[in-house]
Amino acid sequence: QVQLVESGGGVVQPGRSLRLSCAASGFTFSTSGMHWVRQAPGKGLEWVAVMFYDGTYKYYADSVKGRFTISRDISKNTLYLQMDSLRAEDTAVYYCARDGYCTNTTCYFFAYWGQGALVTVSS
Amino acid sequence: QSALTQPASVSGSPGQSITISCTGTSSNIGSYKLVSWYQQHPGKAPKLMIYDVSKRPSGVSNRFSGSKSDNTASLTISGLQAEDEANYYCCSYAGSGTSLFGGGTKLTVL
Repeated sequence: QVQLVESGGGVVQPGRSLRLSCAASGFTFSTSGMHWVRQAPGKGLEWVAVMFYDGTYKYYADSVKGRFTISRDISKNTLYLQMDSLRAEDTAVYYCARDGYCTNTTCYFFAYWGQGALVTVSS
Repeated sequence: QSALTQPASVSGSPGQSITISCTGTSSNIGSYKLVSWYQQHPGKAPKLMIYDVSKRPSGVSNRFSGSKSDNTASLTISGLQAEDEANYYCCSYAGSGTSLFGGGTKLTVL
């Protein structure tokens, strides 16, 4: 069965960096699109970033563009989110999610979710 | 882009039907058949309920249905049950590889 397990969350000071990891299993990671979605405490969901199924394209929400980088290591079946220049408003639970049920394309919906990793940006 | 617009809350009695609306623009909902809906219970990860406007994933009850007209998508839950009480979020493809969520709707089963 599909499993997504995030790690790397914690407390970090404003302006510093943090890298989240998402270990994937139960599906073919190398041909699956992957997303990061976040949820600030008591707030709604916000899409953060996507890496296309073949790794060729990456897109970001305007709120994180230029500061966050999505990447993957196929040999480790792991998705990453490098977060630089962190701000208080980046405080949230970060979920990794597998893109739809498509093969060799991007479906733009989130079929499977991890349990989330909490990132708190505070001095 | 601004979030898609959903009502903050809706309510219904067991056995009734409710509809949650999700209003966007011609740049997102109005241009693509890529609307999805998610159910989230407190403290849990979201769960996919509807994708591609009206398709249900395997295992999701047929009490859940989705539709779209122009710039507005809708989620209908029929035969309300206590376990349906949760937060519901719509999401649409918004072009240029990006996705956009609604603000969320809290469903209360009376």
